[in-house]
Amino acid sequence: DAGVTQSPTHLIKTRGQQVTLRCSPKSGHDTVSWYQQALGQGPQFIFQYYEEEERQRGNFPDRFSGHQFPNYSSELNVNALLLGDSALYLCASSLLGFQPQHFGDGTRLSIL
Amino acid sequence: DQQVKQNSPSLSVQEGRISILNCDYTNSMFDYFLWYKKYPAEGPTFLISISSIKDKNEDGRFTVFLNKSAKHLSLHIVPSQPGDSAVYFCAASLDSNYQLIWGAGTKLIIKP
Repeated sequence: DAGVTQSPTHLIKTRGQQVTLRCSPKSGHDTVSWYQQALGQGPQFIFQYYEEEERQRGNFPDRFSGHQFPNYSSELNVNALLLGDSALYLCASSLLGFQPQHFGDGTRLSIL
Repeated sequence: DQQVKQNSPSLSVQEGRISILNCDYTNSMFDYFLWYKKYPAEGPTFLISISSIKDKNEDGRFTVFLNKSAKHLSLHIVPSQPGDSAVYFCAASLDSNYQLIWGAGTKLIIKP
């Protein structure tokens, strides 16, 4: 039974570019959440998707957008990349209304 | 505004002894608390949780205590083992559907 999978593992971009990160949830899960983890800090909630709709959103600008597909997989898109966007991006899945969330190993994004 | 705080960046414990990791929160509306463990280059792994209606939850070597009046929770690991060396995160939620709010983590080092 595959857990949460994320791709790519690592990514290097330059300022101003756009990036798409991908996530496949754990089998049986219908809800996907995205988190940003800066070095030395805890994860910060970006947004959550359920039934292809954004249910909740953290304090992140509109440059951060997402999508959920009918098979429950999800994408995180970041436009106009800034140096401060360099972080580990974590995807978590769960069943709506249930904890805990299960995490993937993340995508390490570096902005040059 | 840091709603969940882990004031000890690191903790060193002798193998076989008890490890106690602490977490404080400011929002009395938090309803659900979780502890996650994270190894380098891996995503967070769920350890144990507790609902606000309880003051203790135990799972094998791991016990979480919740003191609502002090807005404090702690994770006890007994006995500590070398494989417990990792970063431990405390997280809180308003309810099972809501986003997780995370502390900055405590790095636990188990000495042989």
